Amino acid sequence: ELKVEQNPLFLSMQEGKNYTIYCNYSTTSDRLYWYRQDPGKSLESLFVLLSNGAVKQEGRLMASLDTKARLSTLHITAAVHDLSATYFCAVNTGTASKLTFGTGTRLQVTL
Amino acid sequence: NAGVTQTPKFQVLKTGQSMTLQCAQDMNHNSMYWYRQDPGMGLRLIYYSASEGTTDKGEVPNGYNVSRLNKREFSLRLESAAPSQTSVYFCASSEALVSRYGYTFGSGTRLTVV
Repeated sequence: ELKVEQNPLFLSMQEGKNYTIYCNYSTTSDRLYWYRQDPGKSLESLFVLLSNGAVKQEGRLMASLDTKARLSTLHITAAVHDLSATYFCAVNTGTASKLTFGTGTRLQVTL
Repeated sequence: NAGVTQTPKFQVLKTGQSMTLQCAQDMNHNSMYWYRQDPGMGLRLIYYSASEGTTDKGEVPNGYNVSRLNKREFSLRLESAAPSQTSVYFCASSEALVSRYGYTFGSGTRLTVV
């Protein structure tokens, strides 16, 4: 059974600081997805990582994938309040597999 | 706007009542999904439809049924609602089970069973 673990589960950080969210998964996969969810809202796709070593960047967020380590990271650079949200990673494995989500990391950026 | 539309947005049911959550997508996607979201548990897959005419159980199917009415529509039915089914329900779609673009999610249905 595929398990997807994120840490930390909750992160409070000051504006201007850097931090990394980690996503570990238990079985082989070569694709991983990051989503953002604002309170009371739906999930918005952030990044799709489709191969080992893939790196994607959008603004202050950068995501990477290491399939050998079964690890993805979401790095936040110089955080701003607008980044406050819950971030989910999701993985699927194999040609008939559906997305399995991590439990989410709730990010709170304070002034 | 193209996307996934869910109805209703909010619903309160009494224990034992039934209801159907509706979902429609206009992106010509083949695959559709129903997830539930509970605090501290992420999203868990209830049922999915890999393509029109097929449906399969996900991680937490008990107490639910689904219908893939056509390529656009995928409904979720609660036959006899229980308080444990209080949750936020999300419908999603993708071009295929293994997607190059990820899933597109609807805005969610917040269901309370009393």
